[in-house]
Amino acid sequence: SQTIHQWPATLVQPVGSPLSLECTVEGTSNPNLYWYRQAAGRGLQLLFYSVGIGQISSEVPQNLSASRPQDRQFILSSKKLLLSDSGFYLCAWSGQGVAGGRNEQFFGPGTRLTVL
Amino acid sequence: AQSVAQPEDQVNVAEGNPLTVKCTYSVSGNPYLFWYVQYPNRGLQFLLKYITGDNLVKGSYGFEAEFNKSQTSFHLKKPSALVSDSALYFCAVRVLKGGFKTIFGAGTRLFVKA
Repeated sequence: SQTIHQWPATLVQPVGSPLSLECTVEGTSNPNLYWYRQAAGRGLQLLFYSVGIGQISSEVPQNLSASRPQDRQFILSSKKLLLSDSGFYLCAWSGQGVAGGRNEQFFGPGTRLTVL
Repeated sequence: AQSVAQPEDQVNVAEGNPLTVKCTYSVSGNPYLFWYVQYPNRGLQFLLKYITGDNLVKGSYGFEAEFNKSQTSFHLKKPSALVSDSALYFCAVRVLKGGFKTIFGAGTRLFVKA
């Protein structure tokens, strides 16, 4: 069966510090991968998605970047965190290719980031 | 513009009563529609989806949703609510242009009272 992991679960960082959040998927190959941010326990904002290794699409201009160094690894980074980067970060995967459009997404447990 | 709307921030239901969580959408072409549930401090869990076929879709935990093309709606329903159904519910639509992005509604918080 497929599983998705995110770490760390919680993180408190000072403004201006770097960030690296990691997401890994097991039990599937060549998934579509996604990073979302959820603010105030409500709506999800799509930050990045990837359809393959090294292929990253950015949805919102911001202080963050993403990378996919391996097929089932997705990393969210920042060189200098801002207060507004605080939130609940969710990684997700779905089936690939055209059929991926019909497939639901499977979410990781999330990382709660607080920037002070 | 393609969008999803959940008109209710919160829905309150007594245990044992039927529940409905509303969702309307605006997309070009045939929509792929999804419902997800989120419990506190957890990731989202998939409940059900409509791709094509029967307008009534059955999903996990006794939930179902009805696709109504003329009203562009995809309301989530359950015949008899449980206290454990209390959570945050998201309607979502898949956008096929520019990659397989999913647009999520703002979410509806469901409270089921014993």
